[in-house]
Amino acid sequence: DTEVTQTPKHLVMGMTNKKSLKCEQHMGHRAMYWYKQKAKKPPELMFVYSYEKLSINESVPSRFSPECPNSSLLNLHLHALQPEDSALYLCASSQDSGENQPQHFGDGTRLSIL
Amino acid sequence: ELKVEQNPLFLSMQEGKNYTIYCNYSTTSDRLYWYRQDPGKSLESLFVLLSNGAVKQEGRLMASLDTKARLSTLHITAAVHDLSATYFCAVDRGAQKLVFGQGTRLTINP
Repeated sequence: DTEVTQTPKHLVMGMTNKKSLKCEQHMGHRAMYWYKQKAKKPPELMFVYSYEKLSINESVPSRFSPECPNSSLLNLHLHALQPEDSALYLCASSQDSGENQPQHFGDGTRLSIL
Repeated sequence: ELKVEQNPLFLSMQEGKNYTIYCNYSTTSDRLYWYRQDPGKSLESLFVLLSNGAVKQEGRLMASLDTKARLSTLHITAAVHDLSATYFCAVDRGAQKLVFGQGTRLTINP
């Protein structure tokens, strides 16, 4: 069991749908991350939140919209996605973005765009 | 732009043998992480390497970092089937912005 919980585990959506991915951690971590991982590829960083503020956006298309309602929660709002957006979306957290501690990853949401 | 390269990308080995996975990176960094990923699963942190000459060991796995050569190694001793997984190194380009290597898919045969 991981300490970072992601829901849903699987999501199938059409290109016109709006959906959200959720991530929760109760380790008191102040940095949270979204990654995208295509099959048989490494994770790619999308967003970094530090102390509930967006600190890094790795030039992600606006159809992905992150939100950090509080220090334990991280959402990723999805709208008008494309088939190439089908991937495993991983959430991670760490003590702080400046600390020398590893990131803890959730099990991911496997997203399929029809 | 930071590039991280692992080799080999695929490794099939027999139980009981030793082998090393290499991780080279292109620009200076003081922080390097190793992760393990089982099929369909999340990433599990294995090692955090923070300085030149750092060596960490856990069970049959040992990781080292040479920041001058921009090289980290993950050494597997007397491999067992349970170590079959994909192993990623990840280099921190600052403020925990990790760049991952391509991953090494390790299969250990009985």
